[in-house]
Amino acid sequence: AQSVAQPEDQVNVAEGNPLTVKCTYSVSGNPYLFWYVQYPNRGLQFLLKYITGDNLVKGSYGFEAEFNKSQTSFHLKKPSALVSDSALYFCAVRDPTGTASKLTFGTGTRLQVTL
Amino acid sequence: DVKVTQSSRYLVKRTGEKVFLECVQDMDHENMFWYRQDPGLGLRLIYFSYDVKMKEKGDIPEGYSVSREKKERFSLILESASTNQTSMYLCASSLPRAWNTEAFFGQGTRLTVV
Repeated sequence: AQSVAQPEDQVNVAEGNPLTVKCTYSVSGNPYLFWYVQYPNRGLQFLLKYITGDNLVKGSYGFEAEFNKSQTSFHLKKPSALVSDSALYFCAVRDPTGTASKLTFGTGTRLQVTL
Repeated sequence: DVKVTQSSRYLVKRTGEKVFLECVQDMDHENMFWYRQDPGLGLRLIYFSYDVKMKEKGDIPEGYSVSREKKERFSLILESASTNQTSMYLCASSLPRAWNTEAFFGQGTRLTVV
């Protein structure tokens, strides 16, 4: 069965500093990986995805993620954090060998960016 | 713009009531999903549907049922609401058998069962 782990409940970073939100995954085949962001009392918004190709994926709002197959990781990064990046971030995996197209989510990481 | 709309943002219901959560998408997607979101547990899949009148159980289907009579509408039903079903419910849709595309989410319904 596929699974995703987000080892940090919360990440704190000062505005202007680089940020990393960690994600590791487990699937039986090649993974399709996604990052979503959730602002307070809102649904999830898609940030970026890794399907195949370059290991560094660029997405919305200046975010990028690095796929590392040997470490089974897909960490979310941003070179310079903004206060407005403060939100809940979810990593998700879709196993192409599984049924339908369902996504399995991690438990989420709260990002707090302070001045 | 892609849109998934959930009928209520906030809902308060009494224990034992039958509760309907409605979700409509305008993208002509075959796949639709219901998740619940709880702190520390992330999103957990309740049910999904890959076509009209088709449904499959997700990871936590107990106490829930679903209805998909039309392609654009996917309803989640709590047969007899209980306090442990107090949660945020999220609906999503996606293209069929499209492993490389993202799912689109509604704004969520925060349900409180008292």
